Amino acid sequence: QVQLKESGPGLVQPSQTLSLTCTVSGFSISSYGVMWVRQLPGKGLEWMGVIWGNGNTKYNSIFKSRLSINRDTSKSQVFLKMNNLQSEDTAMYFCARFNWVVDYWGQGVMVTVSS
Amino acid sequence: DIQMTQSPPSLSASLGDKVTITCQASQNINNYIAWYQQKPGKAPRLLIRYTSTLDSGTPSRFSGSGSGRNYSFSISNVESEDIASYSCLQYVNFPYTFGAGTKLDLK
Repeated sequence: QVQLKESGPGLVQPSQTLSLTCTVSGFSISSYGVMWVRQLPGKGLEWMGVIWGNGNTKYNSIFKSRLSINRDTSKSQVFLKMNNLQSEDTAMYFCARFNWVVDYWGQGVMVTVSS
Repeated sequence: DIQMTQSPPSLSASLGDKVTITCQASQNINNYIAWYQQKPGKAPRLLIRYTSTLDSGTPSRFSGSGSGRNYSFSISNVESEDIASYSCLQYVNFPYTFGAGTKLDLK
């Protein structure tokens, strides 16, 4: 069955870079896109960006040039990197399968930005 | 960017009630709206896509309707397992945008 699982550090220092990994199973990331979505505490969901099955990417402009998404198809992994983290980036980060609609989600990983 | 205005922010219902949540888009989204259920500590679950198409495994007590800018999501005969938060998503344009969410609890 389709599964996605996020992994990464739970705590990041201000101004540092966040690196998260999404490991998928049950589908090929060469055939489906994977996107990243975050949820600020007590707030709604916020779309961050997507990497399509062909490797092209698209990002939410609110992250300007801080965000990059890439992948390793041999390992069925998608990576998020976001630099210059601030306290307002404290959130639950989800990866999800993109099938035009967002259909399957990982459980999410909580990231806290604090010194 | 398309703004999705979801209401109400919270709802209290008794078992067996019908509840309705609405999402209004800032522009026509041509029925490209999905609805998600999220329980604490769990991944969001896709319930409905393209306004009214129930995803596999979604009980028939869930329904969606609407057109243009205005959409609604309903649960008839609320069950205890429906206690969760619900969010809408427009997926007609990037950036995809979500409603702020509705928290459903028991009266």
